[in-house]
Amino acid sequence: NAGVTQTPKFQVLKTGQSMTLQCAQDMNHNSMYWYRQDPGMGLRLIYYSASEGTTDKGEVPNGYNVSRLNKREFSLRLESAAPSQTSVYFCASSEALRQRGVGETQYFGPGTRLLVL
Amino acid sequence: AQSVTQLDSHVSVSEGTPVLLRCNYSSSYSPSLFWYVQHPNKGLQLLLKYTSAATLVKGINGFEAEFKKSETSFHLTKPSAHMSDAAEYFCVVSEGGTYKYIFGTGTRLKVLA
Repeated sequence: NAGVTQTPKFQVLKTGQSMTLQCAQDMNHNSMYWYRQDPGMGLRLIYYSASEGTTDKGEVPNGYNVSRLNKREFSLRLESAAPSQTSVYFCASSEALRQRGVGETQYFGPGTRLLVL
Repeated sequence: AQSVTQLDSHVSVSEGTPVLLRCNYSSSYSPSLFWYVQHPNKGLQLLLKYTSAATLVKGINGFEAEFKKSETSFHLTKPSAHMSDAAEYFCVVSEGGTYKYIFGTGTRLKVLA
């Protein structure tokens, strides 16, 4: 049981290049999330997928696209990378039982460090 | 709208002394509150969470937090710090029925020998 896995661990891009960050979970969770972490700013939600087949924008979606490929996989794509997208990207998942009023634990991957030159 | 404020960006304590990491929140509805820990170059791991049951919540590694509605606080404490507690800690709020979690800006805990 690997939990949440992310690839690659580290990537360097030039401005304008594109790439896809991959995320997979083996916990049969319904919801998946992409965050970016920048110094002094905590984690900010880029996109999330409440369930297979649905995706929604988070706080900072500009410059990104996502695909919920199946229940296990949720990918994040940068179509034309910019230096402002230099960050650490975390994928997370949660069970999403949706008990009213109950927050669910999110499980995080180890992160992808992206440097855009 | 939800928000979270972690009152200290850095906290230093000596090994064996108490730890207090402060968190205040704002929420229109009954919130769920979490503390996560992040060790260097690692992902985030859940320490504990409050979901409207007992107001004093016990977590892993001897940490606990108390939900105080009147003070809108959810401070994290540990009676005796260990060197392995050195990490960054995030307070998180979520409103029931939503998929959005709001993270604080983090508190970096340093433990001195």
